[in-house]
Amino acid sequence: ILNVEQSPQSLHVQEGDSTNFTCSFPSSNFYALHWYRWETAKSPEALFVMTLNGDEKKKGRISATLNTKEGYSYLYIKGSQPEDSATYLCASIPTGNQFYFGTGTSLTVIP
Amino acid sequence: NAGVTQTPKFQVLKTGQSMTLQCAQDMNHEYMSWYRQDPGMGLRLIHYSVGAGITDQGEVPNGYNVSRSTTEDFPLRLLSAAPSQTSVYFCASNKVRGSYEQYFGPGTRLTVT
Repeated sequence: ILNVEQSPQSLHVQEGDSTNFTCSFPSSNFYALHWYRWETAKSPEALFVMTLNGDEKKKGRISATLNTKEGYSYLYIKGSQPEDSATYLCASIPTGNQFYFGTGTSLTVIP
Repeated sequence: NAGVTQTPKFQVLKTGQSMTLQCAQDMNHEYMSWYRQDPGMGLRLIHYSVGAGITDQGEVPNGYNVSRSTTEDFPLRLLSAAPSQTSVYFCASNKVRGSYEQYFGPGTRLTVT
């Protein structure tokens, strides 16, 4: 069992604020790290797949960075909008086949 | 493309009953997996498959069986349901292993009384 931790557990921000969350994972074995966006009553949707130390990925106002040596990834949202309200999950994949998910960061953007 | 489909959407079972949760994908993905989602626990991997005829256990496999006779289908069997198996179950697929995006089905909400 792999311990993947996400912080903070929940976050409330005002519309227009920028914010970031952290995903921590054991750095001893690393194959890939995934970020997902999960809206209430829907299924998780993939945001980023990160495989290399120093990776930076961007999709619109959302970006992510990866540090495999110290075992963390950051997800950034610039200029938060109400439609960004969701739970953001990360998953560590140490060997390629088994996904270990964190419990997520719940983001609420207040208009 | 329908993506990943799951049936049923909701199910209520009595303790000791058996049932199969169906999962299918039409993206020709090699990797398929089953997760359960419980409050405060996040998504936990039950079983996964890296191709037709090949399955392996995840983090919480006890009480569940799987098989993969075709690339498209990956059913999850509960042999003798227990209240501890009350959960939301998600099926997912991706092209090959963990370096590709994973696509999730809509989920099955199972209650065992």
